[in-house]
Amino acid sequence: GESVGLHLPTLSVQEGDNSIINCAYSNSASDYFIWYKQESGKGPQFIIDIRSNMDKRQGQRVTVLLNKTVKHLSLQIAATQPGDSAVYFCAENSKAGTALIFGKGTTLSVSS
Amino acid sequence: EAQVTQNPRYLITVTGKKLTVTCSQNMNHEYMSWYRQDPGLGLRQIYYSMNVEVTDKGDVPEGYKVSRKEKRNFPLILESPSPNQTSLYFCASSPLIGRRGKAFFGQGTRLTVV
Repeated sequence: GESVGLHLPTLSVQEGDNSIINCAYSNSASDYFIWYKQESGKGPQFIIDIRSNMDKRQGQRVTVLLNKTVKHLSLQIAATQPGDSAVYFCAENSKAGTALIFGKGTTLSVSS
Repeated sequence: EAQVTQNPRYLITVTGKKLTVTCSQNMNHEYMSWYRQDPGLGLRQIYYSMNVEVTDKGDVPEGYKVSRKEKRNFPLILESPSPNQTSLYFCASSPLIGRRGKAFFGQGTRLTVV
């Protein structure tokens, strides 16, 4: 069945460190993945996406890596800042393309 | 400013009292959807709409209704709320029908049913 999961529920880093948030997915036919950030009291916010014909995509301070061989997705945040503290979700489109299937989320805590 | 607006943000109600949570988007998106977020269960889809007058069930539709009479609005209706519908609700919209769209989410509605 379709499922998207995350390896660790929490991640604590120091300001300035690089953060890596991981996600494993089970549907080998998935062809589009998205990372969302959810700050306390707010809705999920789009960060970056990647299609299955790519291995890597970079944004501003963020990089998403896709390893289709082991069905693994990661989000790398460079020079992590306190404002990056949030819950991060990976998601994929459902097979029918009618829904986003979310993982459980990783809570990133950044200390100064 | 492009946004998805939900109202109310917070609501406490009693079992059985019908309520409606409104959702409006100003981006002319065809696709809209409702999710509920619960601890340990993540975000789960309730209903979605591909376009005006086209709606369908998501993963957890029981106890909910929706309508899509206009492109910009997608209200969530709880005809007879029960305590197990206490949750955080999000409305989302996207510019494409599903596969390549980047969903925009509202700020959420925290519903408590007592």
